[in-house]
Amino acid sequence: DMKVTQMPRYLIKRMGENVLLECGQDMSHETMYWYRQDPGLGLQLIYISYDVDSNSEGDIPKGYRVSRKKREHFSLILDSAKTNQTSVYFCASSYQDYAGCSDYTFGSGTRLLVI
Amino acid sequence: GDKVKQSPSALSLQEGTNSALRCNFSIAATTVQWFLQNPRGSLINLFYLVPGTKENGRLKSTFNSKESYSTLHIRDAQLEDSGTYFCAAEARWTGGADRLTFGKGTQLIIQP
Repeated sequence: DMKVTQMPRYLIKRMGENVLLECGQDMSHETMYWYRQDPGLGLQLIYISYDVDSNSEGDIPKGYRVSRKKREHFSLILDSAKTNQTSVYFCASSYQDYAGCSDYTFGSGTRLLVI
Repeated sequence: GDKVKQSPSALSLQEGTNSALRCNFSIAATTVQWFLQNPRGSLINLFYLVPGTKENGRLKSTFNSKESYSTLHIRDAQLEDSGTYFCAAEARWTGGADRLTFGKGTQLIIQP
């Protein structure tokens, strides 16, 4: 069963602590993404990774960094978490077919509370 | 303004009725995806569309790239159809892979 796995599912951190969110996929997809979801705002793109060590900022990268050392893993790091980073974080991966069209698969999300 | 605009933002339906959700795009969308976010928060893929129409059971979706919109029709709504429906458009970005831009969602409540 092809899937995107996120760990942990729930996380509580204090302001100023470092946070590591992990994402794995078993489909050998080249491209992976981190989104955050806030009430009334839909999903907003934080970072894209095109492959190992090939990352690009999305629409809201400030306060985040990412790491992709293996194709199947993509990590989101918050150095010194802030309360406004309380959110639900989704990881996704995608592949492009012969026609250049991408199909996306999302993980189940990580619910982060920063207090 | 919003690059992907969904309407309505919320909708309440009686079980057994039909509905249509809509997305309008102000970006040059190449493909569209529709997702259902269930009460547990998981995003379930419903449709992946190039321009054209797809049907799956009681759901039918159309993507018209020339007029920059997509619709999701739900026929004979059931209680388990409740949740938030998101459309997301993929558009070409300079210097990188295509990006998926989400609308803000339509919250659908099906009542018995």
